[in-house]
Amino acid sequence: AQSVTQPDIHITVSEGASLELRCNYSYGATPYLFWYVQSPGQGLQLLLKYFSGDTLVQGIKGFEAEFKRSQSSFNLRKPSVHWSDAAEYFCAVSNTGNQFYFGTGTSLTVIP
Amino acid sequence: DSGVTQTPKHLITATGQRVTLRCSPRSGDLSVYWYQQSLDQGLQFLIQYYNGEERAKGNILERFSAQQFPDLHSELNLSSLELGDSALYFCASSVAPLAGGQGEQFFGPGTRLTVL
Repeated sequence: AQSVTQPDIHITVSEGASLELRCNYSYGATPYLFWYVQSPGQGLQLLLKYFSGDTLVQGIKGFEAEFKRSQSSFNLRKPSVHWSDAAEYFCAVSNTGNQFYFGTGTSLTVIP
Repeated sequence: DSGVTQTPKHLITATGQRVTLRCSPRSGDLSVYWYQQSLDQGLQFLIQYYNGEERAKGNILERFSAQQFPDLHSELNLSSLELGDSALYFCASSVAPLAGGQGEQFFGPGTRLTVL
């Protein structure tokens, strides 16, 4: 069965510092992988997605993620965090695109 | 604003009751997804509809049911409510089922259900 693990429940970084949020998935075939961001009181917004091709994908708001098949990982990165990036981040995996499995989320706090 | 609307924003009800949550997808989107977000379970996929037909089922309880109408809006019906059903319920829509990995889901703002 598909599953997604986000090992870090909460991360605190200083503004301007780099960020990496971890995501590991379990899936037999090549999955479709996503990162979403959820601000307080809001729905989820897609940051980026990976379906095939180049394993380094660029998203919105300066985020990128790298698909590493050997490690079953899809970590999200940003070189310089802004205070507005404080939010909850979710990694998700999909099979055909009809069923989605989300991780439990990583809460990001940004210190000025 | 994603273009997906959900009503009501908040709902407070008692155990044993039945409620209906409504979702209007983005204009032109044929596919609707329902999710439940709770503190202990995280974000769980419940069910997906495409153009009125059920397409995929996730961790949806038998007490819950959904449908998508000809005008493409969708309703999630929750019955015999229990305290544990208290959660944020999200609807998302996409142009089509994301077969082949194309497209994306757009999420609504959610309906917060509180069962007392």
